[in-house]
Amino acid sequence: GAGVSQSPSNKVTEKGKDVELRCDPISGHTALYWYRQSLGQGLEFLIYFQGNSAPDKSGLPSDRFSAERTGGSVSTLTIQRTQQEDSAVYLCASSLGQFNEQFFGPGTRLTVL
Amino acid sequence: KNEVEQSPQNLTAQEGEFITINCSYSVGISALHWLQQHPGGGIVSLFMLSSGKKKHGRLIATINIQEKHSSLHITASHPRDSAVYICAVRSYGGATNKLIFGTGTLLAVQP
Repeated sequence: GAGVSQSPSNKVTEKGKDVELRCDPISGHTALYWYRQSLGQGLEFLIYFQGNSAPDKSGLPSDRFSAERTGGSVSTLTIQRTQQEDSAVYLCASSLGQFNEQFFGPGTRLTVL
Repeated sequence: KNEVEQSPQNLTAQEGEFITINCSYSVGISALHWLQQHPGGGIVSLFMLSSGKKKHGRLIATINIQEKHSSLHITASHPRDSAVYICAVRSYGGATNKLIFGTGTLLAVQP
């Protein structure tokens, strides 16, 4: 389909392991966002990519979190040395431009044991 | 105090009822979004608005910039409308297009 896709849909890992979450935005969308939704919590912003500009990383909760966007398309969110409090649904969204409607992916449910 | 507040947190309605969900925010914004999230499902954008009113099917969204308030209305509600409705604002200025989210309103429409 033409929507935002994310993989894996579910990830179970052990505390201390590294994980990589992938996002494929809608083709042609220059803006890409990562959000997190923890159980019982609202959505929170993590990081934002816009074209070739430096990403806004102001929402990343710790230096264990990082993200890349290669070739202005696919993005990977990496969490190093995972902790139980990292368990959440990680959502990716993309938009045509900086001020356009955002389209959300189905999310990756991360469980850290 | 959260920058985006929604009310009510939980809402139960009978099929056919008119429903209103409210959103108040405390920051200057360039746009406000209403999102829908079904249980176990992804998030769908319903509206993005910066002034006035928008209508899509049985859904209507209004915003009053001066009062920093928005409402989402559902006419002739149906059980399939049962979902979490989330208000999110894009703060004004800066290079970031990040959204600030409300905590959501859980709507249950009973047949």
